[in-house]
Amino acid sequence: AQSVTQLDSQVPVFEEAPVELRCNYSSSVSVYLFWYVQYPNQGLQLLLKYLSGSTLVKGINGFEAEFNKSQTSFHLRKPSVHISDTAEYFCAVSEFSGCSNYKLTFGKGTLLTVNP
Amino acid sequence: GAGVSQTPSNKVTEKGKYVELRCDPISGHTALYWYRQSLGQGPEFLIYFQGTGAADDSGLPNDRFFAVRPEGSVSTLKIQRTERGDSAVYLCASSLRGGWETQYFGPGTRLLVL
Repeated sequence: AQSVTQLDSQVPVFEEAPVELRCNYSSSVSVYLFWYVQYPNQGLQLLLKYLSGSTLVKGINGFEAEFNKSQTSFHLRKPSVHISDTAEYFCAVSEFSGCSNYKLTFGKGTLLTVNP
Repeated sequence: GAGVSQTPSNKVTEKGKYVELRCDPISGHTALYWYRQSLGQGPEFLIYFQGTGAADDSGLPNDRFFAVRPEGSVSTLKIQRTERGDSAVYLCASSLRGGWETQYFGPGTRLLVL
């Protein structure tokens, strides 16, 4: 079984500042890693995912994340945030192989609030 | 193209009543998922359909919960004898074939059991 810990429930930042949203996972097997964003009254939208290959993954809206296997982390970063990035961000994992690679396990989410 | 849609967007019911929540996946997606998101929590997996069959229903909390997908497209999540603890946002997602492929989520149905 896997678990995901998002260390910060809320992250307030000023517009144009850099941001890092932290995610750590626990699993007995290799995993796929995902970041989803949820805007108010909207469904979850995939920002980026790590399946294999380069550990630095670039996603939509200028976000990127780095997979660190030794630290079991997958932190999300953006060098300069906009007001429109205000949303809840969820980190998720699924098994790399086997029969359950479709089953996403989510963290509790981090509310990013970008202030002017 | 159209994304995943869910109806109703909000549902208020009384304890003990029966409710049905509907999900329309993206056309052509064979895989469909239901998740439940309680307040302050991330989504939790409930059930996975591949075509018409439930390939994995291990996340359904008890036998009051049931889901169907009779024609391999629209799915209905059914909750019998609702309890206050069932109050949550129920999310539906679909993907083209399943596995590790990207899951596309609907906006959810917010269920409130009084």
